[in-house]
Amino acid sequence: GAGVSQSPSNKVTEKGKDVELRCDPISGHTALYWYRQSLGQGLEFLIYFQGNSAPDKSGLPSDRFSAERTGGSVSTLTIQRTQQEDSAVYLCASSLARGYSGNTIYFGEGSWLTVV
Amino acid sequence: SQQGEEDPQALSIQEGENATMNCSYKTSINNLQWYRQNSGRGLVHLILIRSNEREKHSGRLRVTLDTSKKSSSLLITASRAADTASYFCATATSGGSNYKLTFGKGTLLTVNP
Repeated sequence: GAGVSQSPSNKVTEKGKDVELRCDPISGHTALYWYRQSLGQGLEFLIYFQGNSAPDKSGLPSDRFSAERTGGSVSTLTIQRTQQEDSAVYLCASSLARGYSGNTIYFGEGSWLTVV
Repeated sequence: SQQGEEDPQALSIQEGENATMNCSYKTSINNLQWYRQNSGRGLVHLILIRSNEREKHSGRLRVTLDTSKKSSSLLITASRAADTASYFCATATSGGSNYKLTFGKGTLLTVNP
């Protein structure tokens, strides 16, 4: 597609339910990132996928959070037993390769999660 | 803890004035990037400066990097109302096999017409 696509754009869920957030990166981008942004805050790194390498999961806040990337393309971020503190915008981004090599990272519009 | 810290947290100026935002960071970096975010949604990449560069220009944007002070500044010249947004710096840390782009909390810029 033309850009990074995320769905749903907005999700309201009850505390304790599981949610899945989907990210469709730009075609051909090998690197995929998930970030979380709470209201008025900066972006918090969650997880990074690069090609077939083992993902960097160091940013996942608890074992209720998991993510996978199937076929090196689409990624799903799953939050189990959601809590109110999970309410945030979840942003996905992709790039051609590692961003530190100077490749621009492109962000999706985010999925706004509200846990009630 | 935040790798990048923007200063000021909020800035309000009149159209036509210049806006300067600063970013400080703590550890060695490979590059530093500035992003813009409208209305709390997706971020748009503005400019990247590598650790061996001192200054970079892109249109009305000017970015400087001082690695000895671990700081960067973003200057927007001749600001417009459409420049109203949050601006974030992000640092790419050196070394390691995995990549992590760490963001600050941002500067909220308001340009009044």
